[in-house]
Amino acid sequence: RKEVEQDPGPFNVPEGATVAFNCTYSNSASQSFFWYRQDCRKEPKLLMSVYSSGNEDGRFTAQLNRASQYISLLIRDSKLSDSATYLCVVNLSGGYQKVTFGTGTKLQVIP
Amino acid sequence: DVKVTQSSRYLVKRTGEKVFLECVQDMDHENMFWYRQDPGLGLRLIYFSYDVKMKEKGDIPEGYSVSREKKERFSLILESASTNQTSMYLCASRPAGDEQYFGPGTRLTVT
Repeated sequence: RKEVEQDPGPFNVPEGATVAFNCTYSNSASQSFFWYRQDCRKEPKLLMSVYSSGNEDGRFTAQLNRASQYISLLIRDSKLSDSATYLCVVNLSGGYQKVTFGTGTKLQVIP
Repeated sequence: DVKVTQSSRYLVKRTGEKVFLECVQDMDHENMFWYRQDPGLGLRLIYFSYDVKMKEKGDIPEGYSVSREKKERFSLILESASTNQTSMYLCASRPAGDEQYFGPGTRLTVT
């Protein structure tokens, strides 16, 4: 089983739609979680951290479910500019903090 | 504003050549990383460094070596380039916290 798994998509959604991605992780000792965004031919950039209590940043909501070992990202009122690949990142604390990236979920918002 | 720069955006090399990829960060971060990114495989960690002259193998170190003589600079070396090393190479740096800052990437083609 992969350490971090994501549905590669693509998710094709109309503007204004709500879309959700999940990401599962295999190591129950994982400590911190993030969503990164990567535009085509660009480097990944941090979108948001994922806290145990869940967190929201404008149209974006991230949640963590430790019992089922997954994190989620919800995007409301999708914009064309949200089209990108969303990478799930899991940190295993201890030592030098092993970081594992998911392969990404591609989102295409269509007019 | 954190800045991570990589020496080249595009590079074409011949099989068997020795290749140097340079990465420089300007924020005095302790940790630096080299990844390669391939379609369907996501980001895979090649090597990382948590201090000057210190290095640790990542998930796919074979065929690569690294050098960190100064805190701000982390070099990736392909001792004898092969066609299966054609890829996008991304450097990242990270302070003691969790967020990674990526450079713009180097697209290497080995012919």
